[in-house]
Amino acid sequence: DAGVTQSPTHLIKTRGQQVTLRCSPISGHKSVSWYQQVLGQGPQFIFQYYEKEERGRGNFPDRFSARQFPNYSSELNVNALLLGDSALYLCASTSRDGYTFGSGTRLTVV
Amino acid sequence: GQNIDQPTEMTATEGAIVQINCTYQTSGFNGLFWYQQHAGEAPTFLSYNVLDGLEEKGRFSSFLSRSKGYSYLLLKELQMKDSASYLCAVRGAAGNKLTFGGGTRVLVKP
Repeated sequence: DAGVTQSPTHLIKTRGQQVTLRCSPISGHKSVSWYQQVLGQGPQFIFQYYEKEERGRGNFPDRFSARQFPNYSSELNVNALLLGDSALYLCASTSRDGYTFGSGTRLTVV
Repeated sequence: GQNIDQPTEMTATEGAIVQINCTYQTSGFNGLFWYQQHAGEAPTFLSYNVLDGLEEKGRFSSFLSRSKGYSYLLLKELQMKDSASYLCAVRGAAGNKLTFGGGTRVLVKP
């Protein structure tokens, strides 16, 4: 079985641009969570989605949005990028037993 | 809210034992997770505690005391490949997110 897949693995954007990150959960998992990890810190919760509905939102500005599709894959969108948005963005496929993380998307904003 | 504290960095010798402490203050508790994260990679699951006591899994053990808001991860027979960051994370009562500590970077020396 494939694990959690995220794309792209790396990208570089300019301040003010918009970015879309993608995640496919483990087959059979209906819930996806997004986390932001700034270098040297622990991951911070952004969103959780279950069955296409938002079930939780962290302390992030409205520039951050997400959605989940009928096949349970998910997209994270960030508008009006700031330098401080540079981070590793992790997607977790969640089940009752726990959380399995993808390899992440490394976003650099210049 | 949640507040999770763990030491920033620890150094140990190959073959030795290291104990990483984690203290937490939470408004709700639904389990504590430990993850290992090598530089630039995704966190990988090590252990999960929801009841008080010790959980042993090979060279890794994790302990939880809910009344004290305290957990530790014990790494035995340290190997060079154990050099990594170790993340303590608490799942909130709603079960929809993990709150992470800042991570403990463990350096294993020969």
